[in-house]
Amino acid sequence: AQRVTQPEKLLSVFKGAPVELKCNYSYSGSPELFWYVQYSRQRLQLLLRHISRESIKGFTADLNKGETSFHLKKPFAQEEDSAMYYCALSGGGGSNYKLTFGKGTLLTVNP
Amino acid sequence: DGGITQSPKYLFRKEGQNVTLSCEQNLNHDAMYWYRQDPGQGLRLIYYSQIVNDFQKGDIAEGYSVSREKKESFPLTVTSAQKNPTAFYLCASNDRERQPQHFGDGTRLSIL
Repeated sequence: AQRVTQPEKLLSVFKGAPVELKCNYSYSGSPELFWYVQYSRQRLQLLLRHISRESIKGFTADLNKGETSFHLKKPFAQEEDSAMYYCALSGGGGSNYKLTFGKGTLLTVNP
Repeated sequence: DGGITQSPKYLFRKEGQNVTLSCEQNLNHDAMYWYRQDPGQGLRLIYYSQIVNDFQKGDIAEGYSVSREKKESFPLTVTSAQKNPTAFYLCASNDRERQPQHFGDGTRLSIL
């Protein structure tokens, strides 16, 4: 079975502070990990995926297979980063198209 | 403008009534999905379809039904058997195995 855990429901930081949204996963094979973001009144959209190894809007995430983690980081948070963030995992076992989502972390960046 | 279109945006259901939520995509994606989003619960998979005329139950399929008669369409029916239907419903699609999913704007279903 595959599982994604986001331990923080809410995270509040001040503008300019570093931010880290935690994501841990459970999966026996080789997973594909994603971060999705939902800004207020907008549709859920892909932020980044681990195989791209790119930085989007200043965010990065590294897959740590030893710790089974995929934490999302940004060195200097901006007010426009305030949103709901979901970590998601795509596994295998005949259902490779499926995504399993964490429960989400609501990030608030205060001025 | 390519993407996923969900309709209606808001839907109200009376007790004992079935309602159908529409999802259409013009991305030529093979796979389509329905999720339910509740506060504090994240997204939970209701049904998914990897190919026309085939679909599988997700984690919370009870009280829901789907069909996939056309590649671009994947309607979801919330039946009267679903005792707690009030939620935000999201439709998604993707192309190949493990490719990112694209989401619609969602439908908010409420009970009258």
